[in-house]
Amino acid sequence: EPEVTQTPSHQVTQMGQEVILRCVPISNHLYFYWYRQILGQKVEFLVSFYNNEISEKSEIFDDQFSVERPDGSNFTLKIRSTKLEDSAMYFCASSDEGVYNSPLHFGNGTRLTVT
Amino acid sequence: LAKTTQPISMDSYEGQEVNITCSHNNIATNDYITWYQQFPSQGPRFIIQGYKTKVTNEVASLFIPADRKSSTLSLPRVSLSDTAVYYCLVGEGDMRFGAGTRLTVKP
Repeated sequence: EPEVTQTPSHQVTQMGQEVILRCVPISNHLYFYWYRQILGQKVEFLVSFYNNEISEKSEIFDDQFSVERPDGSNFTLKIRSTKLEDSAMYFCASSDEGVYNSPLHFGNGTRLTVT
Repeated sequence: LAKTTQPISMDSYEGQEVNITCSHNNIATNDYITWYQQFPSQGPRFIIQGYKTKVTNEVASLFIPADRKSSTLSLPRVSLSDTAVYYCLVGEGDMRFGAGTRLTVKP
């Protein structure tokens, strides 16, 4: 069964540094998403992406964050000037028709630790 | 966006059937109901999706009454490995997860 893959599985960075989290969505999917989950808390929506542009973003997704689909297979989340509170699991997801009638397929996440 | 309400936690024993109900009073006509399962340190995993009446797959059943203001995820004969958080999502474009229901299956 096709999978969403994320790399790295664990990233440690110092406060103030930039990180790029990478995702390879399922190949025929058209919608892409980033979520984060702080330890012990719920899964929080960050951003959705379709047709090479952001379709929706949450209040969490401020100027510190950006997303990009640099080629036909990768989908990245960049976090600039990381803060301690950015420490979380970051999950990428994809779907082939949007959430309405197509479930999200999640990767296993990148654990980001900001020290 | 339809807001959902689920119990925060549930306990069960191996071999029992577990029913988790989700309330979604302001569900819209075009909204589907989707359930996900999440194990610790893993991404949520799609379990089942439905629009009305009953849907069944190899993992679970989903019961939706005629008014569609609630839905019930049914897990038959749970095992220890079914211990997880279960999320109910409703609606078109509803990409936001609630707190979910933490199911603990005991031996």
